[in-house]
Amino acid sequence: EGQLVQSGAEVGKPGESLKISCKGSGYSFSGYWIVWVRQTPGKGLDWMGIIYPGDSDTTYSPSFQGQVTISADMSINTAYLQWTSLKASDTATYYCARLVSISAGYFDSWGQGTLVTVSS
Amino acid sequence: DIQMTQSPSSLSASVGDRVTITCQASQDISNYLNWYQQKPGRAPNLLIYDASKLETGVPSRFSGGGSGTHFTLTISGLQPEDIATYYCQHYDDLFFTFGPGTKVDIK
Repeated sequence: EGQLVQSGAEVGKPGESLKISCKGSGYSFSGYWIVWVRQTPGKGLDWMGIIYPGDSDTTYSPSFQGQVTISADMSINTAYLQWTSLKASDTATYYCARLVSISAGYFDSWGQGTLVTVSS
Repeated sequence: DIQMTQSPSSLSASVGDRVTITCQASQDISNYLNWYQQKPGRAPNLLIYDASKLETGVPSRFSGGGSGTHFTLTISGLQPEDIATYYCQHYDDLFFTFGPGTKVDIK
């Protein structure tokens, strides 16, 4: 069974850059798509984008295109989500999750979440 | 874009009750519908995939049904540990949509 472990909580100021990570273990990390999902305080789940670590093929939700960058380094089994200029509205918990397969569109393993707080 | 709606948005039920949550798609999505449970402060957890298939390790009191545009998640005998928010999710060619969630409480 695969496991995903995310980096710890972050606090940043508006305009700052930030990069959070998601490290996979217990499975072939390069062979499974990884998704990033945002959950704003007290709200639901928003799909942000997805990456295939094997070749870094990436698709973004139209809502997040241009707002964040998703990347991966398969040599260290890690996916990343980054911002170049944080906004207060980026305050949320961010989850990574593993897509079972390209034909089976469900997520069978989730990271524990990374809380990002943006405040001046 | 396909929109997903859920009803009710919240419910309270007694231990042992049968609880049904509905998820509606704005167009036919066949059986490409999954259900997740999210307990407070925790990551979501897969319950049901492909509309009706129970994920390994999930208690058998959870079941899913439906196809096309109308789907249900049923808890047959609500337990205290089922207090959570439940989300449906659709997938189409590397695009994903979550429903708004249904919060379940114990009366």
